[in-house]
Amino acid sequence: GIQVEQSPPDLILQEGANSTLRCNFSDSVNNLQWFHQNPWGQLINLFYIPSGTKQNGRLSATTVATERYSLLYISSSQTTDSGVYFCAPGGYQKVTFGIGTKLQVIP
Amino acid sequence: KAGVTQTPRYLIKTRGQQVTLSCSPISGHRSVSWYQQTPGQGLQFLFEYFSETQRNKGNFPGRFSGRQFSNSRSEMNVSTLELGDSALYLCASSLANRGYSPLHFGNGTRLTVT
Repeated sequence: GIQVEQSPPDLILQEGANSTLRCNFSDSVNNLQWFHQNPWGQLINLFYIPSGTKQNGRLSATTVATERYSLLYISSSQTTDSGVYFCAPGGYQKVTFGIGTKLQVIP
Repeated sequence: KAGVTQTPRYLIKTRGQQVTLSCSPISGHRSVSWYQQTPGQGLQFLFEYFSETQRNKGNFPGRFSGRQFSNSRSEMNVSTLELGDSALYLCASSLANRGYSPLHFGNGTRLTVT
């Protein structure tokens, strides 16, 4: 199956700082999603981004499928951004999750 | 539009018992998939259903089974519970048919096996 590596595993940011999360995957994929799991366990779909770049407010994501990586940018971080960010590349019917990047934003 | 609904939210069972978890997808979504989340193994794919057919299955023992009904609601069953089955079980729905579409997750069922 697809191997997924996310870095860094842990990240502590001061509120207002920017950060980049990286996801490397071992095989070509047809889709890739980024999720945020809040401290209450809810998984929220941030981006569905098999290739190219998308932006949603302070967040943006870029996937370079030919080089098998994706990046998630968080700008002007807020305490509500805390939680775990998962990269999830996948094929048609099955999605593989990375171990995630645990982000803590401190005021 | 209502989101993905999972019931119950919390469950405590004893080793050897069986359990059934329920998932109602977003209206119009015909694909339902299940994931197990544990601190040690992370999020692992259990199985995916579309139009009452299991299309893909993860690497879990046969004690884990599921089904999907004609209204797209899905249930998963775990028989002969083991302590290691304690986890957050997450259900996700999507429009996926021949194309690809985002997963939308429910709030999960937290199962504790004692």
